Amino acid sequence: SQQGEEDPQALSIQEGENATMNCSYKTSINNLQWYRQNSGRGLVHLILIRSNEREKHSGRLRVTLDTSKKSSSLLITASRAADTASYFCATDGGSRLTFGEGTQLTVNP
Amino acid sequence: DAGVIQSPRHEVTEMGQEVTLRCKPISGHNSLFWYRQTMMRGLELLIYFNNNVPIDDSGMPEDRFSAKMPNASFSTLKIQPSEPRDSAVYFCASSPNGLAGQETQYFGPGTRLLVL
Repeated sequence: SQQGEEDPQALSIQEGENATMNCSYKTSINNLQWYRQNSGRGLVHLILIRSNEREKHSGRLRVTLDTSKKSSSLLITASRAADTASYFCATDGGSRLTFGEGTQLTVNP
Repeated sequence: DAGVIQSPRHEVTEMGQEVTLRCKPISGHNSLFWYRQTMMRGLELLIYFNNNVPIDDSGMPEDRFSAKMPNASFSTLKIQPSEPRDSAVYFCASSPNGLAGQETQYFGPGTRLLVL
């Protein structure tokens, strides 16, 4: 079964707007990762946040982690058409990485 | 540097045929993962190797699936006999240090398999 669940399943915004995607998970984790997948391609790692971290930034990406609520959010600021992709959270509950079902983000030019 | 390399990129075969998917991980990486992605089930881990040894194969769907890693630079995933429900995109990924859930995984471009 999937450990992480992303919300919303699909998100459509205009270029320049911010996009926020959420991930909820069920069991304790050591870290949480976010990946991006462009259509027809493999997944690309975006950012890793450890369980003792609350917030992390990388360029236009901001990730938060709330272990008490077992949730994380990915914020993409000043979105671009090239950000159109599926975004997945992945959690480690032990020896493996478990991916959620993803959020399909469409950024309209 | 070359990333994870997978071949073939596309495979169309008939039910009952043997299918072999190939993967070359990033040089120096100790762990290799095989995933399957479908619309219905999302991204599923099939098996992963650490230092060429299978560590967790609990995701392998059934005996028709087998995976090998004869050396640090090559792995295969074999389906024999193939069935239409095996149609999916199969990804190979590698990571540097064998900490399966705790570090970045680098994905290949995938093999799109269609079983008729």
